[in-house]
Amino acid sequence: DGGITQSPKYLFRKEGQNVTLSCEQNLNHDAMYWYRQDPGQGLRLIYYSQIVNDFQKGDIAEGYSVSREKKESFPLTVTSAQKNPTAFYLCASSNPGRGNTEAFFGQGTRLTVV
Amino acid sequence: DQQVKQNSPSLSVQEGRISILNCDYTNSMFDYFLWYKKYPAEGPTFLISISSIKDKNEDGRFTVFLNKSAKHLSLHIVPSQPGDSAVYFCAASGVINYGQNFVFGPGTRLSVLP
Repeated sequence: DGGITQSPKYLFRKEGQNVTLSCEQNLNHDAMYWYRQDPGQGLRLIYYSQIVNDFQKGDIAEGYSVSREKKESFPLTVTSAQKNPTAFYLCASSNPGRGNTEAFFGQGTRLTVV
Repeated sequence: DQQVKQNSPSLSVQEGRISILNCDYTNSMFDYFLWYKKYPAEGPTFLISISSIKDKNEDGRFTVFLNKSAKHLSLHIVPSQPGDSAVYFCAASGVINYGQNFVFGPGTRLSVLP
């Protein structure tokens, strides 16, 4: 089945540690996105990538880093510089170059700092 | 500065009645508008979209209306069912900064009462 897989579903991190969230898609989509959801707020864009080996900062990129070495993979690293990392993280992909208008989402990763 | 607004955080509707969820946007450059449905601890699922050149799109029980002059869109669900209870996100899509991007509203929690 085609789709987006995020792992792990739940992640616990100690303060001061970096942690990497995985996002893999087999939809052959060019564009991939990372969003963060906090209670009572919408989805805020962290980073996005339109093609392999290229990515752009979103609205809240501070304290995060990404890479896009392969078309199907877009891992997100939450660094110790992120002041409030506890949140629900969502990865998405889309294919704007082929007329697709919607983004497809993974099931999310809930990160908790302990 | 929110580009996509959903001014009703919550809405309760009786089963069988119509649910109307509203959304306002500020950027005239958006070319697609989308509605997503989200359950807790899951990724959003795409419901329905509308191009900026249309004023109505219908898919089964779901209809989206777009009023470009007012920069307003709405999602109608008729008849509402208990399984429709979820958070609904309005999103706008366009070429923003660099490449296709999606801007999400804060969401409206719909409760359909049996």
